[in-house]
Amino acid sequence: QVQLQESGPGLVKPSQTLSLTCTVSGGSITSGDYYWSWIRQPPGKGLEWIGFNFYSGRTYYNPSLKSRVIISVDTSKNQFSLKLSSVTAADTAVFYCARGVEKWYGMDVWGQGTTVTVSS
Amino acid sequence: QSALTQPASVSGSPGQSITISCTGTSSDVGGHNYVSWYQHHPGKAPKLMIYEVSNRPSGVSNRFSGSKSGNTASLTISGLQAEDEADYYCSSYIVTTLGVFGTGTKVTVL
Repeated sequence: QVQLQESGPGLVKPSQTLSLTCTVSGGSITSGDYYWSWIRQPPGKGLEWIGFNFYSGRTYYNPSLKSRVIISVDTSKNQFSLKLSSVTAADTAVFYCARGVEKWYGMDVWGQGTTVTVSS
Repeated sequence: QSALTQPASVSGSPGQSITISCTGTSSDVGGHNYVSWYQHHPGKAPKLMIYEVSNRPSGVSNRFSGSKSGNTASLTISGLQAEDEADYYCSSYIVTTLGVFGTGTKVTVL
């Protein structure tokens, strides 16, 4: 069965770029039936879409983050990644990667999540 | 994009049924049947409970059911159990960005 695992620094300084990677195991990231997503949850708040990347190259980003976000896929490593630039304390959150099912636009597999704190 | 509207909290006694609403617009919830529901225990990965308004993934208890009327989707938990205490989020397809979450509902088992 497919499993996802986030990895990356737990602490990022303000104004720097947050970089996270999600490793996909038990399945191929090149499957055309799925898309690859990042979601976050700030402390005490709800879930928030960050964006998606389809293997075909299409990407969709939350309008509120669009100018700062890049989600890319590395097929050679079966991984996808998130880069969020110019971070502030407001970007402190638990970040989840997830697999989306293109047939019905929902997330059927999630990673355990990784906490990223933005602080100097 | 605005988050879908859910009640902040819903509670019930063991064995009872509760319903969580998820209200959007004709551009999201009301425009198609791509509504999903997720259960989230703090510190754990969210879990898909319902997709396409009313379909349950394999392994999800049949105590969980989904429905939709107009711009409002609903998740019903029947025979409430202690393990159902969690946060629940709806999500909907939206053509501009592909997805929007609900505000989240904390379910408390009394």
